[in-house]
Amino acid sequence: SAVISQKPSRDICQRGTSLTIQCQVDSQVTMMFWYRQQPGQSLTLIATANQGSEATYESGFVIDKFPISRPNLTFSTLTVSNMSPEDSSIYLCSAGLAAYEQYFGPGTRLTVT
Amino acid sequence: AQTVTQSQPEMSVQEAETVTLSCTYDTSESDYYLFWYKQPPSRQMILVIRQEAYKQQNATENRFSVNFQKAAKSFSLKISDSQLGDAAMYFCAYNSETSGSRLTFGEGTQLTVNP
Repeated sequence: SAVISQKPSRDICQRGTSLTIQCQVDSQVTMMFWYRQQPGQSLTLIATANQGSEATYESGFVIDKFPISRPNLTFSTLTVSNMSPEDSSIYLCSAGLAAYEQYFGPGTRLTVT
Repeated sequence: AQTVTQSQPEMSVQEAETVTLSCTYDTSESDYYLFWYKQPPSRQMILVIRQEAYKQQNATENRFSVNFQKAAKSFSLKISDSQLGDAAMYFCAYNSETSGSRLTFGEGTQLTVNP
């Protein structure tokens, strides 16, 4: 299994600012994904982070709001831009080598005031 | 598009007893994977058990087992000999290689274990 770390673990940000979340995997992985978990809700996929190319976004999520980078097979970043209180959520990174094997990072708890 | 439904927002069980969490899904694909993830208050998503759709045998992992009914599109989780540490939110999830391995989650079931 892969061990995934995320930084920061939590943050409190002011509206209108941006936050970049880092996801680091301890081994090379084929797939990396970013999910959002709003308070009391399930997980929703934001995008697939593609190595060396633009991320693939799900309906309702756009690159201007959630730019994603993936410079190599072990690292990805998600930026939450121009934040509003509605962006207060837990953001989770997942990674894996195959569809049947995906593991999650510990999440980043974001509060926007 | 695939959907996953968990109809039990909350469940409770006595310590050492058995509990079953329900999950149904909808898909037109024939090859796919189903998962149960556990999310304790720490918010870490922990893979509990997974099932490959092409396998007829139900998956088991120690005290955790599933009842996979492919024709009925049902995937329930049975927890035997429940322990206090089993208390958490449980999510049922689906993915497939043809859908880009993206996980689709159910709404979750909050499990309480009573001493």
